[in-house]
Amino acid sequence: DVKVTQSSRYLVKRTGEKVFLECVQDMDHENMFWYRQDPGLGLRLIYFSYDVKMKEKGDIPEGYSVSREKKERFSLILESASTNQTSMYLCASSTLDGGYGYTFGSGTRLTVV
Amino acid sequence: EDQVTQSPEALRLQEGESSSLNCSYTVSGLRGLFWYRQDPGKGPEFLFTLYSAGEEKEKERLKATLTKKESFLHITAPKPEDSATYLCAVQGNDYKLSFGAGTTVTVRA
Repeated sequence: DVKVTQSSRYLVKRTGEKVFLECVQDMDHENMFWYRQDPGLGLRLIYFSYDVKMKEKGDIPEGYSVSREKKERFSLILESASTNQTSMYLCASSTLDGGYGYTFGSGTRLTVV
Repeated sequence: EDQVTQSPEALRLQEGESSSLNCSYTVSGLRGLFWYRQDPGKGPEFLFTLYSAGEEKEKERLKATLTKKESFLHITAPKPEDSATYLCAVQGNDYKLSFGAGTTVTVRA
């Protein structure tokens, strides 16, 4: 069964900490994405990557950065966590043209206190 | 900018009571419209892709249809296990997906 795996289901961090969220896919997909999901706002794109070492900003990149050193791995970094970054974070992957939609991970529920 | 609006926000149904969810969209060059199901605390799970107006897809009690401006997800004779949030997304010329906020469906036995 194909998988997108996120390293943590639940995470609690303190304000100001540097936070790493890891995502690994085993489908040899070119594209990888990071979304955050908040009630009433739906899924909002933070960053995406079409290739190794390549990244592009999504709709809400402020306060975040990403790293893609290997094709199967895409990391989201919160440089200095703040309480307004408390959210559900979802990683997804797709083929280059996204024609079959995205495959999502199970999500990481991050709480910043 | 691509936009997706889903209605209603929430839907409460009695078991067996059929209903429809709406997804209205504006997109520059529709490449595909996607429906996902999301259970609480989990990631979205792919249901359907629709590519052109008039197309229909079915899976068990779910049927998705597409026009040039909107898509409907029909739930026929729902069961409690159909309770979930249903997400609609469109893919435009930039290949990225834009999501609606979702419709949360609750089916009571």
